[in-house]
Amino acid sequence: SQTIHQWPATLVQPVGSPLSLECTVEGTSNPNLYWYRQAAGRGLQLLFYSVGIGQISSEVPQNLSASRPQDRQFILSSKKLLLSDSGFYLCAWGRGVGGRAIETQYFGPGTRLLVL
Amino acid sequence: GQNIDQPTEMTATEGAIVQINCTYQTSGFNGLFWYQQHAGEAPTFLSYNVLDGLEEKGRFSSFLSRSKGYSYLLLKELQMKDSASYLCALGDMRFGAGTRLTVKP
Repeated sequence: SQTIHQWPATLVQPVGSPLSLECTVEGTSNPNLYWYRQAAGRGLQLLFYSVGIGQISSEVPQNLSASRPQDRQFILSSKKLLLSDSGFYLCAWGRGVGGRAIETQYFGPGTRLLVL
Repeated sequence: GQNIDQPTEMTATEGAIVQINCTYQTSGFNGLFWYQQHAGEAPTFLSYNVLDGLEEKGRFSSFLSRSKGYSYLLLKELQMKDSASYLCALGDMRFGAGTRLTVKP
């Protein structure tokens, strides 16, 4: 069965500090991978998706970036965090055609980020 | 462009049936997902519809009409644990804001 890992579970960072969140997937190959952010009490905002190694599509221009150095690894980064970057960051994988998911999509446990 | 609309909140009684609607506009349809999200947790996959009609999975059913840009999630025999947010999403993984369902005794 497929498993998706994210770490850390919780993170408190000062404004202006860098960020690196990691997501890894087990039990599948060549998945579509996604990063979302959810502000408190709000819906999910798609940040990035990737259909393969080194292929990243950005949905929202901001101070975040993503990389996919391996097939089952997806990393979300920032050089300098802003207060507005606080939120619940979720990684997801799905079977897909291009950037579109079909049939199933599963989420990791998420990372709760608080920028102070 | 793309819009996904859901009611913000709904309340229902334990044991009852509730229908959560989702309307959407999209330039290219590739299926529609429903997820359940309990407070503070990640969403969990409930259903995926790509063809018109009703898909049933135990107490949960999901319906799709592509011509109307409309879907609903039907929850039967409501239980207290069904209190959660229910998220509608299109196949390019853009989500509606979610419907927060409260089940009361």
